[in-house]
Amino acid sequence: DIVMTQSPDSLAVSLGERATINCKSSQTILYSSNNKNYLAWYQQKPGQPPKLLIYWASTRESGVPDRFSGSGSGTDFTLTISTLQAEDVAVYYCQQFYGTPGTFGQGTKLEIK
Amino acid sequence: QVQLVQSGAEVKKPGASVRVSCEASGYTFISHNITWVRQAPGQGLEWMGWIRPYYGDTHYAQKFQGRVTMTTDTSTNTAYMELRSLRSDDTALYYCARTPLGAFDIWGQGTMVTVSS
Repeated sequence: DIVMTQSPDSLAVSLGERATINCKSSQTILYSSNNKNYLAWYQQKPGQPPKLLIYWASTRESGVPDRFSGSGSGTDFTLTISTLQAEDVAVYYCQQFYGTPGTFGQGTKLEIK
Repeated sequence: QVQLVQSGAEVKKPGASVRVSCEASGYTFISHNITWVRQAPGQGLEWMGWIRPYYGDTHYAQKFQGRVTMTTDTSTNTAYMELRSLRSDDTALYYCARTPLGAFDIWGQGTMVTVSS
């Protein structure tokens, strides 16, 4: 199985500041035939199911604010929230869908400083 | 609107089975895979397997092989996940999710399954 490791486990950022979450896969999740990275990012708020934010590592899902962006390729990826809003407090997960099982990172808890 | 609505919470004894349903609406059910994901209390997300409603074929995580069965009823646009030989560590919130590209764009609200003697 592909192991996904996120860092940090938790993060406290001031309102209006930038938040950065990292995700590393144990093997490449870049599919060479289409040059796509099979990585997604989700946001989960308490008592709610996860919400898809980003897929193909950098494509924003419809309706997701543009302060959320994804980057990276191969085995190293980043989710950036450019200016943190109060409603962004949540746990964030990366997930690879290159192979099965479609493994998730352990999650990063984002709080307001 | 596009949504997945799951069945209600279940309480089961160890060794029993549970079947969770997931009714789709607002899109063509047979067009997209359905994946099942679970989340133990206070823990992260665990991928269990998927089913292709059009073909009925499945792919399960090795961890659940032999204990899980995923099915669909295309006449009612409903997916089902049955988990057998339940243990206490199967206590979790079980989600179904639509899987158009491999990522999960629509999630059900979750079904809490509690295994306790």
